[in-house]
Amino acid sequence: AQTVTQSQPEMSVQEAETVTLSCTYDTSESDYYLFWYKQPPSRQMILVIRQEAYKQQNATENRFSVNFQKAAKSFSLKISDSQLGDAAMYFCAYRGNNAGNMLTFGGGTRLMVKP
Amino acid sequence: DTAVSQTPKYLVTQMGNDKSIKCEQNLGHDTMYWYKQDSKKFLKIMFSYNNKELIINETVPNRFSPKSPDKAHLNLHINSLELGDSAVYFCASSRQLNQPQHFGDGTRLSIL
Repeated sequence: AQTVTQSQPEMSVQEAETVTLSCTYDTSESDYYLFWYKQPPSRQMILVIRQEAYKQQNATENRFSVNFQKAAKSFSLKISDSQLGDAAMYFCAYRGNNAGNMLTFGGGTRLMVKP
Repeated sequence: DTAVSQTPKYLVTQMGNDKSIKCEQNLGHDTMYWYKQDSKKFLKIMFSYNNKELIINETVPNRFSPKSPDKAHLNLHINSLELGDSAVYFCASSRQLNQPQHFGDGTRLSIL
């Protein structure tokens, strides 16, 4: 069974600074997808970024980028130029490539942004 | 227009009651899901439907019964509610199984 671990229950960052959220996972599959979801206090789940395991290039979406280390099974999220609106719970998620595989979520990291 | 909408947003009810949460997506997606987020924020898959057919049913009590009248809807009916059912329930959809999932805003269910 796949597991996803986020070892940082809480992180804080100064506005305009950079922060990195950690995520590790365990799988025996070679082809899969990884995601970061943001959950602000409004409770919505918003897809931030996705990474296909077969792609070596790290995904980037504006201020959000990932450091994907397939051999180490690590998938960290870097937020540059942090903004107050970035404050939220962040969930790392894994999905295998086989039909029927669902998202497996990590426990989440609460990010606080200090003005 | 909201892509994945759940109703109600909040549901407060007593133990033993039966309640339903509705979910609709207007994205034309084939696959829909229900997740439960407990008080510790852990998110777990409950069900998945693909083209109105149940394809995943995790270890969920049979008091929970999903119903998919068509591809755009996946409703969750819960019988004989228990205290442990208190949680936020998220509906999600994806174009197909191997596509990113879009989530609804969640329904906070509180059992008194």
